[in-house]
Amino acid sequence: KQEVTQIPAALSVPEGENLVLNCSFTDSAIYNLQWFRQDPGKGLTSLLLIQSSQREQTSGRLNASLDKSSGRSTLYIAASQPGDSATYLCAVDETSGSRLTFGEGTQLTVNP
Amino acid sequence: DAGVTQSPTHLIKTRGQQVTLRCSPISGHKSVSWYQQVLGQGPQFIFQYYEKEERGRGNFPDRFSARQFPNYSSELNVNALLLGDSALYLCASSLNLNEQFFGPGTRLTVL
Repeated sequence: KQEVTQIPAALSVPEGENLVLNCSFTDSAIYNLQWFRQDPGKGLTSLLLIQSSQREQTSGRLNASLDKSSGRSTLYIAASQPGDSATYLCAVDETSGSRLTFGEGTQLTVNP
Repeated sequence: DAGVTQSPTHLIKTRGQQVTLRCSPISGHKSVSWYQQVLGQGPQFIFQYYEKEERGRGNFPDRFSARQFPNYSSELNVNALLLGDSALYLCASSLNLNEQFFGPGTRLTVL
């Protein structure tokens, strides 16, 4: 059974800092990996999708990497802003769009 | 283009009642998935429908059921509600069984 773990559970940083969020998964036979952002009480916003054949994806200040063999992904946020404060969720898809297995998320607070 | 829409936004029910949640996918998307997110946890997969057929089911009791309509919208039904069913119910749609896009969710409170 696939298990996804996110470390740390919570992170508080000053504005402007670069930061890394970690995600690990137990079964490396994945189809893709997706990073999401969730604001309190809201739905999920897709940030980045990495296919199993890719090593990284970039969007603006966000960069996500994938190392399938070691079962790890990282989300790098450059020059953090207070508006980046949210919970960041990592999810793996093992079966071509059938289901996502999520981690419990990292709650990020960026202080002005 | 409108994103994934869900209704209602909030719902309060009592134990033993039944509830129906609704989801409209992004135009052109034929896959709809349902997830349950309990406070403080990541979402858990409940169902996926593709082209009106069930394509996957998570580890949820038979009290949970769903269907997809010819216009690709979907309903999630939960019977005999328990306190533990209180959660945010999320719907996601996908164009090509790849990237999934989520709606704002329905917050269900069971008293």
